[in-house]
Amino acid sequence: AQKVTQAQTEISVVEKEDVTLDCVYETRDTTYYLFWYKQPPSGELVFLIRRNSFDEQNEISGRYSWNFQKSTSSFNFTITASQVVDSAVYFCALSDPSGGYNKLIFGAGTRLAVHP
Amino acid sequence: DTAVSQTPKYLVTQMGNDKSIKCEQNLGHDTMYWYKQDSKKFLKIMFSYNNKELIINETVPNRFSPKSPDKAHLNLHINSLELGDSAVYFCASSQGGSRYEQYFGPGTRLTVT
Repeated sequence: AQKVTQAQTEISVVEKEDVTLDCVYETRDTTYYLFWYKQPPSGELVFLIRRNSFDEQNEISGRYSWNFQKSTSSFNFTITASQVVDSAVYFCALSDPSGGYNKLIFGAGTRLAVHP
Repeated sequence: DTAVSQTPKYLVTQMGNDKSIKCEQNLGHDTMYWYKQDSKKFLKIMFSYNNKELIINETVPNRFSPKSPDKAHLNLHINSLELGDSAVYFCASSQGGSRYEQYFGPGTRLTVT
């Protein structure tokens, strides 16, 4: 069965620190899709990145980077030089054939607090 | 120009009442979803519609009835509201199912007293 585990419930850092949010997933399929979403205190859900299972290239977008490793079933998210505006709950999610690619399975989320 | 909109943003009601939440997307997407986020922030899919056809119904009580009048709209009607229905309900849409990124509405915070 599909499962997404975000073992870190809460992380607290001081501004300018680097921080990595872990995501481990379970699926029996070879073709699947992984996502990260951000939920700031205002409550909306903001799409950050999508990765398919055949693309193991790491991705960098400004201060954000993602490390996808199929060997360890992980899709970790790193924020470099964190800022107060990065404070949010971050969700990792999985879409795979067992759900007919019709639904996202979300992890429990990691609450990141960045202090000035 | 709002991509996915939901109304109302807040809904406070008493147990036993019936209420509806409306969702509209102007992205031209073919798939729409309802998610429930509980007090611990856990997000779980409730329903998924593709081209007005129900394709996912995740063991949600039949007091919850979605309705999609067209591809751009997905409404959620809840009968006989219970305390446990208190949550934030998110509508989302995507093109081509959940292989692709979903865009979420702002959420509707439902409080049942």
